[in-house]
Amino acid sequence: GQQVMQIPQYQHVQEGEDFTTYCNSSTTLSNIQWYKQRPGGHPVFLIQLVKSGEVKKQKRLTFQFGEAKKNSSLHITATQTTDVGTYFCAGRNSGYALNFGKGTSLLVTP
Amino acid sequence: NAGVTQTPKFQVLKTGQSMTLQCAQDMNHEYMSWYRQDPGMGLRLIHYSVGAGITDQGEVPNGYNVSRSTTEDFPLRLLSAAPSQTSVYFCASSYSREGVETQYFGPGTRLLVL
Repeated sequence: GQQVMQIPQYQHVQEGEDFTTYCNSSTTLSNIQWYKQRPGGHPVFLIQLVKSGEVKKQKRLTFQFGEAKKNSSLHITATQTTDVGTYFCAGRNSGYALNFGKGTSLLVTP
Repeated sequence: NAGVTQTPKFQVLKTGQSMTLQCAQDMNHEYMSWYRQDPGMGLRLIHYSVGAGITDQGEVPNGYNVSRSTTEDFPLRLLSAAPSQTSVYFCASSYSREGVETQYFGPGTRLLVL
């Protein structure tokens, strides 16, 4: 079945540094979603990417969907302590079911 | 709107007991899902529903039942709890507009099975 791999598992940065997490699928995806989960909280939807090569920005966050629709990335410019949490990608192949990556936990120290 | 609500927030069960985790949404969303989250495992789909009266299995359905008699409610039943079902359970609802789906998660239920 479809698997979604996410790397790195953990990332520790100094405030102001950039951060990137990568997501790779074993199969072509129809779309991919990104979520953020704060410690002790629930996942919060960030964005959905649908088109091949799509790039979307939300303030300091940049999301990319690969040309082959098998990989995606989330890049945060100039991290802040408020960016702390775990970032998940979730891919959809066909049908409704989403397959989540295991997440990248981001720690930002001031 | 209250969004997606889940009850209880915490629950301790003994092996073999049964219980129902409640989930409700007031956003008139068609799609609802149940996930479990275990340390280092991300979220795994248990069951989902694409509308009232329609349910389907996800990645890890064994030991769980669901029903969707109304748009608002999507309860998850544990038939005979096992320690392996110790986890955090999240309910989610979603809608799709112009090809873009937005999914909202509830606050979660933390379940410990002894």
